[in-house]
Amino acid sequence: DAGVIQSPRHEVTEMGQEVTLRCKPISGHDYLFWYRQTMMRGLELLIYFNNNVPIDDSGMPEDRFSAKMPNASFSTLKIQPSEPRDSAVYFCASSHSGTVSSGDTGELFFGEGSRLTVL
Amino acid sequence: RKEVEQDPGPFNVPEGATVAFNCTYSNSASQSFFWYRQDCRKEPKLLMSVYSSGNEDGRFTAQLNRASQYISLLIRDSKLSDSATYLCVVNGGGFKTIFGAGTRLFVKA
Repeated sequence: DAGVIQSPRHEVTEMGQEVTLRCKPISGHDYLFWYRQTMMRGLELLIYFNNNVPIDDSGMPEDRFSAKMPNASFSTLKIQPSEPRDSAVYFCASSHSGTVSSGDTGELFFGEGSRLTVL
Repeated sequence: RKEVEQDPGPFNVPEGATVAFNCTYSNSASQSFFWYRQDCRKEPKLLMSVYSSGNEDGRFTAQLNRASQYISLLIRDSKLSDSATYLCVVNGGGFKTIFGAGTRLFVKA
C-alpha cells in the first residue's frame, strides 16, 4: 500500500518567491496534518483537516501561509511570499479516526517530508 | 509553557544499559498518548501507544500518570539500533496531535 506521498522532496528558492508543497494522504484516512520541523522548535503543528475541512489552523505562523484540501486525496501548503526563516522540513501526516476496538490506535502516518530552503 | 515538554538530552549510554525518558503535558483534558521514534533525516514513526495501566512491548515499557500529567518510556538492554530521537506525543482531543521536541539517544558500543 502506498504511504503518504509528499512533493517536492527538496526545494530551494529565493526570498519572496511562492512555494507550494503537496501531499497525498493514505486512501481512507480522514485526518490530514501539516507539521513544520526545525532544530530550534521541533515539530510544530501548523494545521489539520478532518474530512477535507480545516479544524484548527492556530499553528499557522502568519498570513503568508495557507493550506487547502480540495478533496480527500490531495492537500497543499502554500507560502507566499517566502522568507529565509521559513526554511524547515515540512511534514504531512494522515490518520484514521477509527475506534480502539477496530484496531485503530490514532497513529499518524508521515510522509518523507519536504525540505525547504529559502535563500 | 509548552504543551508537551521533554528533556532534549542527548543521552549517551553504552550498549546493554537501561535508559528512561520523561515527558510532561499541560492539557489535563488530553485523551491519548504515544511515543514516536525519529531517525536522522527521516520521518517520525509510531513506537508505541501509552495506556493508563502501563504497557510493554519487548524491551520498551511506557507509563502514564494522569494525576501528574507525566509520561515515561523505559528502554532496557539498549541496542546500537535504538539510537534515535524519541518524541512524546499527546492528543489533546479532537485529534489535535502535539509533539514534544524530542529526546536524543545515542547508544555506544
